[in-house]
Amino acid sequence: QKEVEQDPGPLSVPEGAIVSLNCTYSNSAFQYFMWYRQYSRKGPELLMYTYSSGNKEDGRFTAQVDKSSKYISLFIRDSQPSDSATYLCAMIRGGADGLTFGKGTHLIIQP
Amino acid sequence: KAGVTQTPRYLIKTRGQQVTLSCSPISGHRSVSWYQQTPGQGLQFLFEYFSETQRNKGNFPGRFSGRQFSNSRSEMNVSTLELGDSALYLCASSRTGGWTDTQYFGPGTRLTVL
Repeated sequence: QKEVEQDPGPLSVPEGAIVSLNCTYSNSAFQYFMWYRQYSRKGPELLMYTYSSGNKEDGRFTAQVDKSSKYISLFIRDSQPSDSATYLCAMIRGGADGLTFGKGTHLIIQP
Repeated sequence: KAGVTQTPRYLIKTRGQQVTLSCSPISGHRSVSWYQQTPGQGLQFLFEYFSETQRNKGNFPGRFSGRQFSNSRSEMNVSTLELGDSALYLCASSRTGGWTDTQYFGPGTRLTVL
């Protein structure tokens, strides 16, 4: 079992819909959680990060962490065609450690 | 502010050869991390350099190595290339490499091994 599981999709939704992207993880040592967005032929770019359980909002994006269930989510409101990309969850243990990524969910927003 | 740059962007090699990839971090960033991205395994951490020292290493064979120069630029070397080394190699830089420090990724080098 991989440490971080993420449905690869593709997930196709109409423009304006609310999108829910999710990851589960197995290692309770993970403390810091991130969501990256990756467009085709580009490197990942950080969207949001959070330390603790609960919700964090930034514009149309909301990140949610439930440490007791080892489950994280990213919600996108009022989705736009420009949101079409691969979304990667990532997490890190404390200390000098590399990021552990999910495989990414390919999201398609239909105009 | 210039982002992370990687050269070359595309590379084709044959099995058994070796390859060197280069990464220039954002100005002022002292930490450089390398990742391998494949459709099967996703993004996997290779190693991280800070102040010319390898500070952390992922679970990759010794054929994968790297170094960092005094200007924080980094190179990654893969020796005795295998078909399975075909991947997008990404580097990311951050100010200190601390675990809460944001990592900024470059566009990657697409390596194809024939």
